[in-house]
Formats: sequence, structure tokens, C-alpha cells
Amino acid sequence: DIQMTQSPSTLSASVGDRVTITCRASQSVNTWLAWYQQKPGKAPKLLIFKASTLQSGVPSRFSGSGSGTEFTLTISSLQPDDFATYYCQQYNTYEYSFGQGTKLEIK
Amino acid sequence: EVQLVQSGTEVKKPGESLKISCQGFGYSFTNYWIAWVRQTPGKGLEWMAIIYPDDSDIKYSPSFQGQVTISADKSITTAYLEWSSLKVSDTAIYYCARATPGVLLLDFWGHGTLVTVSS
Repeated sequence: DIQMTQSPSTLSASVGDRVTITCRASQSVNTWLAWYQQKPGKAPKLLIFKASTLQSGVPSRFSGSGSGTEFTLTISSLQPDDFATYYCQQYNTYEYSFGQGTKLEIK
Repeated sequence: EVQLVQSGTEVKKPGESLKISCQGFGYSFTNYWIAWVRQTPGKGLEWMAIIYPDDSDIKYSPSFQGQVTISADKSITTAYLEWSSLKVSDTAIYYCARATPGVLLLDFWGHGTLVTVSS
């Protein structure tokens, strides 16, 4: 099975900061990589799919890049609503696997 | 508007059976897969199983094969996840999620069902 590793596990940042989260796959997933945002008590929400395609309705300050085994999620200018936990997930096969999550905290 | 409405919180004892549900609204239920994902503080998000409601094509994660049963009733646009004998370690939040045909992207998630198993 494909292992997904995110870094960092926790990230402290301020409103207006640019932040980047990294996700590495144990084998190539091509660009079959999604990013989700989860807030406490809520379901994950799809932000980006196919590594870099923004889901409808997601603000343009979110962007994704990468292919193969290395991927990044960037938020260009943090807003108060962005403090949450972010997960990467590969869907190269139906045997999905998720990263362990990155908690984005207010500094 | 797409909605996946899940059944409510459950509190059970070890050894009891349970069936939780996920009803889809606002889209063609038989044209999308439905996946179940478990979330725990210790292991995070784990994919469990997926079903195509139109023909009940089913795939299980090796980690959950034999531990749960996934099913669907397309006449009432509902998918299910079932346990015959719960364990304390089944305590978790369970999400259903819609998977797009072809690439199987999990594009929309239900609100989650909290299952607590305790003696």
C-alpha cells in the first residue's frame, strides 16, 4: 500500500503569512493527489484535486503543485478562516491513503 | 445541492451489532461510488470500503476486510456500513464520501457518525 507523509505536523503562522505544507508518497501517484481541509467537528472538505486543480468555490489563495511522489499545498495569504487541519490523500488506486494531517495554528 | 445525510450518534457495548447509514440527495446516486472512511485520533483518516450502488461492486481495504460489511439500497439512495460484533477499538467517527466515477475522487463527504463502543 502507498504511504503518505505530511510535514510539518503542526504549523504556527499569522494572518497574512504565506505557508506551505508538503506531502510525500512512498511510490508514484502521478498527479492523483487531493488536499482536504478539516475544521473541528466537521467533515473534510475537498480543496484541490489532481494535485493542482482548485475545487469550485475554493479561494484562489490556495494552490497545489507536484507530481509523482512530492506535492505541496500553499496558502498565499492566510485568513482567519484558514486555521484548520489539512490532509493530503492519494487516489491513484481505490485503495486510498491519507497523510497524517498538518494542524495550522494561529501564532 | 448534494447532500450525504448520515445516521446519528451510536453508543454500543462490545459484541453488539450495528448498521449505520448514509443517504444521498441532490445527485444521481447510482452514478457515483460511496466510500466509508474511519477517523480516530490515533490513526487519522483510514479508507475502509467502497461500493458502486448501481451494481453493488464492492472493494474492501485489507485492514477492514472481514471486520465490516458495506452495502447499498439504490431504491432509497442509501449506503450502509455494518458490524456483527463491535470492539472497543471500533470507537471512531465514520464518514461516508461520494467518489466520482472513473478517477474515484472523494469530492463530497457526509457529516460523520460518531460510534462509541464501551462496556
